[in-house]
Amino acid sequence: KAGVTQTPRYLIKTRGQQVTLSCSPISGHRSVSWYQQTPGQGLQFLFEYFSETQRNKGNFPGRFSGRQFSNSRSEMNVSTLELGDSALYLCASSPSYEQFFGPGTRLTVL
Amino acid sequence: DQQVKQNSPSLSVQEGRISILNCDYTNSMFDYFLWYKKYPAEGPTFLISISSIKDKNEDGRFTVFLNKSAKHLSLHIVPSQPGDSAVYFCAASGNYGGSQGNLIFGKGTKLSVKP
Repeated sequence: KAGVTQTPRYLIKTRGQQVTLSCSPISGHRSVSWYQQTPGQGLQFLFEYFSETQRNKGNFPGRFSGRQFSNSRSEMNVSTLELGDSALYLCASSPSYEQFFGPGTRLTVL
Repeated sequence: DQQVKQNSPSLSVQEGRISILNCDYTNSMFDYFLWYKKYPAEGPTFLISISSIKDKNEDGRFTVFLNKSAKHLSLHIVPSQPGDSAVYFCAASGNYGGSQGNLIFGKGTKLSVKP
């Protein structure tokens, strides 16, 4: 089975712009979760989608949003980018408890 | 308030010896625990997990032990190999709000296995 794929792998944006990241889960996995990894805060949960519905949300501002499509593919959007949004954004898909991560998208905000 | 803590930021072990990575948690609602291995600029790789109804789970060189009364789990790697050098994350999950999709991660322990 192919693993979780994320596009793009690297992205450079400037403050105030918006960005959309994409995630394709492992075939058959209906749950997709997003995490942000920064050196200071570690891995932090953003949100989880299951069957196109947001099932759980972490403690992030409303500038962070996401959605899931009928084929389980997911996108996350960050609007009005800030310098502190620079991070590795990880997507994980899951059949139940174990989550399987993609390689991440490295976002740099200048 | 950190719900999952890995108090050792780094650990150095000789090749062939045992590596023991520790993790403490505070939330008694957690019912599933996982260990991930991560290389720089890559996503975490799932290693092994344990349900709260068990106290031990083995998979090859990796064994996870869970002590619910102490809210403590540990990952044993025997024998350690240089390729095991990476950052190891402990994560916990609980079926609250009907979702297991919210993993709470520790800050990680960087393991270095010296030849």
